[in-house]
Amino acid sequence: GAGVSQSPSNKVTEKGKDVELRCDPISGHTALYWYRQSLGQGLEFLIYFQGNSAPDKSGLPSDRFSAERTGGSVSTLTIQRTQQEDSAVYLCASSYGGPGSGNTIYFGEGSWLTVV
Amino acid sequence: QQQVKQSPQSLIVQKGGISIINCAYENTAFDYFPWYQQFPGKGPALLIAIRPDVSEKKEGRFTISFNKSAKQFSLHIMDSQPGDSATYFCAARGTDSWGKLQFGAGTQVVVTP
Repeated sequence: GAGVSQSPSNKVTEKGKDVELRCDPISGHTALYWYRQSLGQGLEFLIYFQGNSAPDKSGLPSDRFSAERTGGSVSTLTIQRTQQEDSAVYLCASSYGGPGSGNTIYFGEGSWLTVV
Repeated sequence: QQQVKQSPQSLIVQKGGISIINCAYENTAFDYFPWYQQFPGKGPALLIAIRPDVSEKKEGRFTISFNKSAKQFSLHIMDSQPGDSATYFCAARGTDSWGKLQFGAGTQVVVTP
């Protein structure tokens, strides 16, 4: 596709339910990132995948959060037993190679999660 | 703990005026400083970026000024236009954490006609 594609674009879930958010990176991009953006806040790093290397999971806020990337392409972010504080926009991004010089990071439009 | 501090939180500027947004950091391992522009309902988009070996970079109406000794950098939007109304985020990435862009809290810019 032309850009980073995320689904669903909007999700309302009940507290305690599990949710899965999907990201399709730009074709050929080896690096994939997940960020979280709470209302009126900056972007909070969650996890980073680069090729076949072990992901950098250092930003995941709790063990209720996990992510995987299958076949070096599509990624799924899973939030188990959702809490109201998980309500945010979850942004996926990708880049050709790592975030070094010239490797622009392209963001999707986000999945808006509301936990009620 | 925010590793990149951004100010102001919001600003209003008249069309044709100059918008200035400032960011400061502490981590001396940071070596890449991008600015992102975000419109409501959209993901952030890279606007302009700089490395610490230069003090200024200009692209069209957008200029980054970088002060390595003060560990500060700023975005100047010259001849601001209503279409520039958006939220702007500064960010930084360090050689010690390649995948982890650290973002400022954002500045909402409103350009009045």
